[in-house]
Amino acid sequence: GENVEQHPSTLSVQEGDSAVIKCTYSDSASNYFPWYKQELGKGPQLIIDIRSNVGEKKDQRIAVTLNKTAKHFSLHITETQPEDSAVYFCAATDDKIIFGKGTRLHILP
Amino acid sequence: DTAVSQTPKYLVTQMGNDKSIKCEQNLGHDTMYWYKQDSKKFLKIMFSYNNKELIINETVPNRFSPKSPDKAHLNLHINSLELGDSAVYFCASSQQGLGNTIYFGEGSWLTVV
Repeated sequence: GENVEQHPSTLSVQEGDSAVIKCTYSDSASNYFPWYKQELGKGPQLIIDIRSNVGEKKDQRIAVTLNKTAKHFSLHITETQPEDSAVYFCAATDDKIIFGKGTRLHILP
Repeated sequence: DTAVSQTPKYLVTQMGNDKSIKCEQNLGHDTMYWYKQDSKKFLKIMFSYNNKELIINETVPNRFSPKSPDKAHLNLHINSLELGDSAVYFCASSQQGLGNTIYFGEGSWLTVV
């Protein structure tokens, strides 16, 4: 089955700087890669996703890149703001969705 | 309007008790899920139902019994609660098929003492 590794587990960046979270997956059949943001006391919410026929996708300050050959994908947040502080999960889907272990992102003032 | 709603939000109970968590979605989705999130924030799927039929059961102890009276509801009943059951339980739903967004509820914080 699919295995998703996510790094780093914790990330602190200065407000205004960029943050990058990286994930790798094991099953080359996986074709859908969503990213979820979980704020304190809330459930995870989808923020961006990418499918295997696309290499990059952007939505304002967030972007996701996918390298199918290397089986890794990354989340990029530019111009970070305090409200970006949260736990972020990557996921990969073959016959079911498998989540990474999460990255706790701290935006420092 | 809350899309995926689950109750109760907080539950503190003693070992050995039986408890239920209820979940309802008003998104018209065919598929519903229960996820468990432990203290390290790891999200693990427990069950998935499609149109009231169980399609994923991830080797969860049989003390956990999901019930789906209709496709908008998926309740979770837990018998003989153990300390290790303490976690946040998330209900979620999506359209049928892979590659569809999963919408999570706000979570139910279960503490077993």
